Amino acid sequence: EAGVVQSPRYKIIEKKQPVAFWCNPISGHNTLYWYRQNLGQGPELLIRYENEEAVDDSQLPKDRFSAERLKGVDSTLKIQPAELGDSAVYLCASSFQAGISYNEQFFGPGTRLTVL
Amino acid sequence: QKEVEQNSGPLSVPEGAIASLNCTYSDRVSQSFFWYRQYSGKSPELIMSIYSNGDKEDGRFTAQLNKASQYVSLLIRDSQPSDSATYLCAVGSGNTGKLIFGQGTTLQVKP
Repeated sequence: EAGVVQSPRYKIIEKKQPVAFWCNPISGHNTLYWYRQNLGQGPELLIRYENEEAVDDSQLPKDRFSAERLKGVDSTLKIQPAELGDSAVYLCASSFQAGISYNEQFFGPGTRLTVL
Repeated sequence: QKEVEQNSGPLSVPEGAIASLNCTYSDRVSQSFFWYRQYSGKSPELIMSIYSNGDKEDGRFTAQLNKASQYVSLLIRDSQPSDSATYLCAVGSGNTGKLIFGQGTTLQVKP
């Protein structure tokens, strides 16, 4: 079974430039998560999708971040414009179901973003 | 107070010893608890999940949960150098599916 796929794996941009990350979850997983992980910290949730609906985006900085999951499968996370503080690893995860206690989340390889 | 707390370490143990990793959480209604292993430069890998009080064993790994004390731990028996990694504790927030992660404990297993 293929795992969560993310691209690109690395991205280096200058501040104020836009950047986009793509994620394809594990087949059959309805719930998709975007996390951000800063160096030395645990991942922090940015947004959670159940199918195509964003059900938790309370931690997403909406002035510059946007996300979409149009057909309920793959998803794109965008930053425009990027700031120096956005340098981090952006992780995508998926689970079969959410809203229940027993949701195991599986992570993709992540995209390491460096903003210069 | 952080929602999920772990000692950042590093925790150093000799090869073959038992490594004990600890985690406390603040949300009393949490129902699900997970341990992830993260090698340097890699993404988190799920290694254990536990939902009820007591012990859960899987190979060399044992997860222990005490909801009354709001405490979860991971024991690694017969530690190997390949176990050297950062171990992240994650706690499910109610029934929302949201995971709250600790900052991780770095484990070093010395040959």
